[in-house]
Amino acid sequence: GAGVSQTPSNKVTEKGKYVELRCDPISGHTALYWYRQSLGQGPEFLIYFQGTGAADDSGLPNDRFFAVRPEGSVSTLKIQRTERGDSAVYLCASSLTLGDTQYFGPGTRLTVL
Amino acid sequence: GENVEQHPSTLSVQEGDSAVIKCTYSDSASNYFPWYKQELGKRPQLIIDIRSNVGEKKDQRIAVTLNKTAKHFSLHITETQPEDSAVYFCAATRGNTPLVFGKGTRLSVIA
Repeated sequence: GAGVSQTPSNKVTEKGKYVELRCDPISGHTALYWYRQSLGQGPEFLIYFQGTGAADDSGLPNDRFFAVRPEGSVSTLKIQRTERGDSAVYLCASSLTLGDTQYFGPGTRLTVL
Repeated sequence: GENVEQHPSTLSVQEGDSAVIKCTYSDSASNYFPWYKQELGKRPQLIIDIRSNVGEKKDQRIAVTLNKTAKHFSLHITETQPEDSAVYFCAATRGNTPLVFGKGTRLSVIA
């Protein structure tokens, strides 16, 4: 079946703008995770969902970052008033349920000019 | 919280030789340890994982060993091939917590 997909693959924006990044998990996967990967680093946890609710958002760096998963499938990561330091690859992963193997999407490369 | 250290940061081996990458973790309650391979510009791909109820797992040329007492686990790749060249990440979790990743090891297999 189809893997995790993310759109857009690349996003270039200007400092101060608002962006939305989308993640489509593997069908039937109840757990969904967002990570951020900077150049030369491992993925860093941002937030994860079990179903529709955010089970843990302790990795979000500040209140400019927000994520939703209203129907328990697709998720959107929203970043307000973007800053140059937000530039990174944003990875989404899903698993059948919490604690199961996580499968990653291709990521969205965000560049803030 | 969990902290994962990974060594070495870069590793070069001759084709056909073995490669070993080591990780240590801090949370004794962690019970799941996956390894991901990431090629340049691509998504992380799971290559092998191990749970805390076993000490070793093997899949063809790839094996992972886990020492719970010492809180470290290692990835072993035998008979390396050029297509094994990539960045490898270890990770750890309690299962009900997010994955915590190491900083990665860039493996270069020289033909």
